[in-house]
Amino acid sequence: DAGVTQSPTHLIKTRGQQVTLRCSPKSGHDTVSWYQQALGQGPQFIFQYYEEEERQRGNFPDRFSGHQFPNYSSELNVNALLLGDSALYLCASSLTGATDTQYFGPGTRLTVL
Amino acid sequence: SQQGEEDPQALSIQEGENATMNCSYKTSINNLQWYRQNSGRGLVHLILIRSNEREKHSGRLRVTLDTSKKSSSLLITASRAADTASYFCATAPNFNKFYFGSGTKLNVKP
Repeated sequence: DAGVTQSPTHLIKTRGQQVTLRCSPKSGHDTVSWYQQALGQGPQFIFQYYEEEERQRGNFPDRFSGHQFPNYSSELNVNALLLGDSALYLCASSLTGATDTQYFGPGTRLTVL
Repeated sequence: SQQGEEDPQALSIQEGENATMNCSYKTSINNLQWYRQNSGRGLVHLILIRSNEREKHSGRLRVTLDTSKKSSSLLITASRAADTASYFCATAPNFNKFYFGSGTKLNVKP
C-alpha cells in the first residue's frame, strides 16, 4: 500500500517563473492538503482539496492555486515566483469523515533563484 | 494566530533520558496532534489526542492535554539516538485545517 507520493523531489526555478508540484494521496484517501515549510519553521497551511474543490484556504496569495483530479491526486501551482517562495512543499492526505490524521508525503524542495 | 507554539525550541539529552516538550495554543480545538520530522523530510504522525481526553499513551510516548490552559506536553521515555528529530504539535480548530508550531529540535546523544 503506497503512502503519499510527491514529485518532483527537488526543483530550481528563477524569479517570475511558474511551477507545478504534484501529489498522489495514500490509497483510499480523498482529501489533499498542501503546506509550505520555510527553513527552520513549521508547516504553514496553504489549502485543502476535497471532491475536486478547494474547501479551506490559508493566508496565501492568489499566486498559489491548486487542482484535484477525479482520482484524488492533486497539483499545486505557484505563479510569478518570488525568492520567498523557496521552501519545502508538503502534501498531506486524509480520509474525510474518518479519523482526522493527516499522512504526509516526503515533500518537494523548491529553490527560487 | 491560531498556531501552536512548542517549547523549548531545542533540547539536547543523553540516550536513555526522558525528553519533554510542550505546546501552547490560542483557540479552542477539536484535537491536537504531534508529528516528527527527520532532517527536512516529510512529517510522521505520532499521536492524536482529542479535546475530551486528558492523557494518551503510545509505546514510549505519553501525551497530555490541558484545555483549560490550552497546552499539551509530549514525553518520550528512554530516548534513543533514532529519536533525534524535530517535533511539532498541530492544532485543528476544525477537521479541515491544521496549524503547526515552529517545532522543538531534539538531539539525543549516544
